[in-house]
Amino acid sequence: AAGVIQSPRHLIKEKRETATLKCYPIPRHDTVYWYQQGPGQDPQFLISFYEKMQSDKGSIPDRFSAQQFSDYHSELNMSSLELGDSALYFCASSLQGWASAGGNEQFFGPGTRLTVL
Amino acid sequence: AQSVAQPEDQVNVAEGNPLTVKCTYSVSGNPYLFWYVQYPNRGLQFLLKYITGDNLVKGSYGFEAEFNKSQTSFHLKKPSALVSDSALYFCAVSPGDYGGSQGNLIFGKGTKLSVKP
Repeated sequence: AAGVIQSPRHLIKEKRETATLKCYPIPRHDTVYWYQQGPGQDPQFLISFYEKMQSDKGSIPDRFSAQQFSDYHSELNMSSLELGDSALYFCASSLQGWASAGGNEQFFGPGTRLTVL
Repeated sequence: AQSVAQPEDQVNVAEGNPLTVKCTYSVSGNPYLFWYVQYPNRGLQFLLKYITGDNLVKGSYGFEAEFNKSQTSFHLKKPSALVSDSALYFCAVSPGDYGGSQGNLIFGKGTKLSVKP
């Protein structure tokens, strides 16, 4: 079965540079989530999209932005990178629907490991 | 504010013995509860969820969890542990009772399960 695809898997950037992470959800899934997992930490919700519209926002810095495109893939854009942005970034997708309100499980991609030097 | 607590950083179990990984939650309304497992350098894999209905939920790989509303707990259990179960386990909650696409997960800090032969 198709899974969530994330690219790149590893990314090394310098401070103040920009980075773009890509996520391709499972086909026919209508909701995409982005999470950040620091070393030894639990994943923290950043932002989500439902049917290409931003649906919820968590602890996403103003330096980050994201969007979901017409083909449902999503991109997380990160600017003015800081050392503290080094983390594993997960994308997850689910078939949410309007009425299910969070009851469907999310399928996670393998993550993008971002290292900021 | 919604939160999830996993009181044990690590649980050690001998292979063949039963295991329990504890989770308590604090959320307004009726929560949706999940367990995910994370192997090193991998994404999170869905194990099971509680939405409504029977308090005992069965999931993947022989795991089950018991929802206890009065104790606000959702402990993960398995009758007989395997060495291959050794991983990081996350309990998560999605605030329920909301219409629309809200479904972001709030994770506990994770519990490292170590199963020794």
